Amino acid sequence: GDSVTQTEGQVALSEEDFLTIHCNYSASGYPTLFWYVQYPGEGPQLLFRASRDKEKGSSRGFEATYDKGTTSFHLRKASVQESDSAVYYCALSHQGGSAKLIFGEGTKLTVSS
Amino acid sequence: EAAVTQSPRNKVAVTGGKVTLSCNQTNNHNNMYWYRQDTGHGLRLIHYSYGAGSTEKGDIPDGYKASRPSQENFSLILELATPSQTSVYFCASGDARGSYAEQFFGPGTRLTVL
Repeated sequence: GDSVTQTEGQVALSEEDFLTIHCNYSASGYPTLFWYVQYPGEGPQLLFRASRDKEKGSSRGFEATYDKGTTSFHLRKASVQESDSAVYYCALSHQGGSAKLIFGEGTKLTVSS
Repeated sequence: EAAVTQSPRNKVAVTGGKVTLSCNQTNNHNNMYWYRQDTGHGLRLIHYSYGAGSTEKGDIPDGYKASRPSQENFSLILELATPSQTSVYFCASGDARGSYAEQFFGPGTRLTVL
């Protein structure tokens, strides 16, 4: 079945550091890929998505590019802030039907000032 | 105002007891979902629904039932709660008719089974 793998369980950075969180997926066809962010005490919320090969999604300075060749959708940000501290989830879904989301394990980002 | 709400926000139950978690959405979405969140596993799908009267098994349905009496409401039922069901549960709504299948999540229910 389909799956999503996030390599980093936890990432600790200082403000203005560069962030990369790796996401690789296994799925048939062309799933839609998502990054969700979850702040403490809240449910996950959509950061952005991409649905075609080479499409770049972006929001709030974060970005990721859909790469079907390497089955990846890595999250990057050039300069993190303390307010970016949260758990980040990579996910995939197929259009139509149940539109179920399949999540990676999540990456907890802690940014210190 | 929040579009997906959950109640209760916190629940302590005893082993063998019955637990019902409730979810309400005002998004008018057809699909609703129940996930549980555990460290190292991310979010895993328990049950989902295509609309009123429909329930479908997700990836980890054992020990759980679901009920969708209306478009707005979706409940998760633990008939005989066990300590292994201690977790944080999230409800979500979404509309598969859209192009991108985005889901909107509630704030979660923290369940502790003693």
